[in-house]
Amino acid sequence: QLVLTQSPSASASLGASVRLTCTLSSGHSNYAIAWHQQQPEKGPRYLMKIISDGSHTKADGIPDRFSGSSSGAERYLTISSLQSEDEADYYCQTWGTGLAVFGGGTKLTVL
Amino acid sequence: QVQLEQSGSELKKPGASVKVSCKASGYTFTSYGMNWVRQAPGQGLEWMGWINTNTGNPTYAQDFTGRFVFSLDTSVSTTYLQIRSLKAEDTAVYYCARSKGTFDSWGQGTLVTVSS
Repeated sequence: QLVLTQSPSASASLGASVRLTCTLSSGHSNYAIAWHQQQPEKGPRYLMKIISDGSHTKADGIPDRFSGSSSGAERYLTISSLQSEDEADYYCQTWGTGLAVFGGGTKLTVL
Repeated sequence: QVQLEQSGSELKKPGASVKVSCKASGYTFTSYGMNWVRQAPGQGLEWMGWINTNTGNPTYAQDFTGRFVFSLDTSVSTTYLQIRSLKAEDTAVYYCARSKGTFDSWGQGTLVTVSS
């Protein structure tokens, strides 16, 4: 079964860096994923796609502070030079034949 | 630029039906699938299913069979989500999102409130 696992919460200080993790279920470690950001009281926004070799493609307008990488079944979103507007929920998403799956989301708090 | 414009908020009574629309612009409508995603109050994103904009064939996630219907009108580049026999637990924000695997553009969301 295709499942994405995320930690429910993360925190880091203003100006620091943080790495969020999304883990693919067993047997699906070669799947690509997408990261989406949802700021408070707003709809989701697509950030980037990450494939199994770690390369990533960002959506237009996403700052260089946002980057993606991969290791095995884990897909990462790293945000550097954290700003207050980065405080948001972050969801990973993947897809298979005829279905899509979201992770449970990580609530990022900027201290 | 790509835009997905959804219809406005709805307040419905239990047992009623609702139809939410999602009008696409800025790209070739039939080149991407269209998905529907539910977000209940304080909860995460839940994939409801998608509709193939070339064939009109819908696919529903396991928890969204029976009362949920996806449809489209290619002449106006619009997809629809209808929910029948509404229940209080259907209260949520519903999003459309286009995809070729990746959900790369989202609608602004439609709040559906079910209350007597």
